[in-house]
Amino acid sequence: AAGVIQSPRHLIKEKRETATLKCYPIPRHDTVYWYQQGPGQDPQFLISFYEKMQSDKGSIPDRFSAQQFSDYHSELNMSSLELGDSALYFCASLFGQPRAYNEQFFGPGTRLTVL
Amino acid sequence: AQSVTQLDSHVSVSEGTPVLLRCNYSSSYSPSLFWYVQHPNKGLQLLLKYTSAATLVKGINGFEAEFKKSETSFHLTKPSAHMSDAAEYFCVVSDRSSNTGKLIFGQGTTLQVKP
Repeated sequence: AAGVIQSPRHLIKEKRETATLKCYPIPRHDTVYWYQQGPGQDPQFLISFYEKMQSDKGSIPDRFSAQQFSDYHSELNMSSLELGDSALYFCASLFGQPRAYNEQFFGPGTRLTVL
Repeated sequence: AQSVTQLDSHVSVSEGTPVLLRCNYSSSYSPSLFWYVQHPNKGLQLLLKYTSAATLVKGINGFEAEFKKSETSFHLTKPSAHMSDAAEYFCVVSDRSSNTGKLIFGQGTTLQVKP
């Protein structure tokens, strides 16, 4: 069965550079979530989209922006990278309206290292 | 506000012995609760979920959890641990206040399985 695809899997950047993370949801899934997991931390919700519109926003820095495209893939853009942005970034998708009881399917994550 | 608290940051068991990972939740709403597992350098995999149906929930790989409203608990159990169960386990609640499906993670419990 198709799964959530994230690219790249690993990314190394210098401070103050920019990064773009991509998420391709399971086919027909129209809701996407982004989470950030710092070293030794639990995942924290960043932002979510449903039908190309932002549905919710968490503790996402102003330096970050995201969008969902017409094919439902999503991109997380990160600018002026800081050392503290080093983390594992997960994308999750689900089919239908984002609701509390719906199961989210997670991708393998993108590990971002900022030097 | 909703939250989950995992009572043990680290649990160590011997192979073949029972596993108990403890989780308490706090929610003003009827909660949707999940257990996810994360193997080293891997994504998050859903073990099981509770969404106000049966209070005893069976998941994959022999895991199960019981929702106890009176104790606000959702502990994860398995009768017999296997070496492959060694991983990080997250108790998760879905945020029903916004009802956009964003997940709130516990701090995680590292399960070590000794031969």
